[in-house]
Amino acid sequence: EAQVTQNPRYLITVTGKKLTVTCSQNMNHEYMSWYRQDPGLGLRQIYYSMNVEVTDKGDVPEGYKVSRKEKRNFPLILESPSPNQTSLYFCASSLFEGSGTEAFFGQGTRLTVV
Amino acid sequence: GDSVTQMEGPVTLSEEAFLTINCTYTATGYPSLFWYVQYPGEGLQLLLKATKADDKGSNKGFEATYRKETTSFHLEKGSVQVSDSAVYFCALGNAGNNRKLIWGLGTSLAVNP
Repeated sequence: EAQVTQNPRYLITVTGKKLTVTCSQNMNHEYMSWYRQDPGLGLRQIYYSMNVEVTDKGDVPEGYKVSRKEKRNFPLILESPSPNQTSLYFCASSLFEGSGTEAFFGQGTRLTVV
Repeated sequence: GDSVTQMEGPVTLSEEAFLTINCTYTATGYPSLFWYVQYPGEGLQLLLKATKADDKGSNKGFEATYRKETTSFHLEKGSVQVSDSAVYFCALGNAGNNRKLIWGLGTSLAVNP
């Protein structure tokens, strides 16, 4: 089954404690991205990757890091989380072919930073 | 730059009512247009798409037509069900955007029995 898997689904952490949210896709997609979803602000892209070892900033990259060492994995790293990073996070992947391809989303990670 | 504007919610309907959620866009070139749906507690999933002007996307009783003359991609369904309660996102994909999707803010739909 084609899917994007994120872990964990829920996470409560304290300010400053480094954390990683994992994302893995089994569709051999080249393009992967991370979004955060906040009430009234919709979806905002944090980082994206067009292929292995190729990553770039999205609209709201401050406070986040990513890596793309393998095609299937695209972890999101918060080196020093702060309360304003409390949000719902989604990983997505899609084929790298034109603009009409479908994006597949993970189930989401609800992060609370206290 | 490219942008998407969709009607604000929440929208509350009774079962079997007609649904329209408006979506308009601004873009250069020839973008593709999408509707995604997010059911409670889940990630987004593609509902339908259209890749060129006058195309009609359809799925699960929902339809949307890509209207270049009015730069619109309104979502419609003739008879909604309680199970259609979700958040609906209009999105635009343009090859000139490094594959980035441009998202509307989402419209929450609640269908009452």
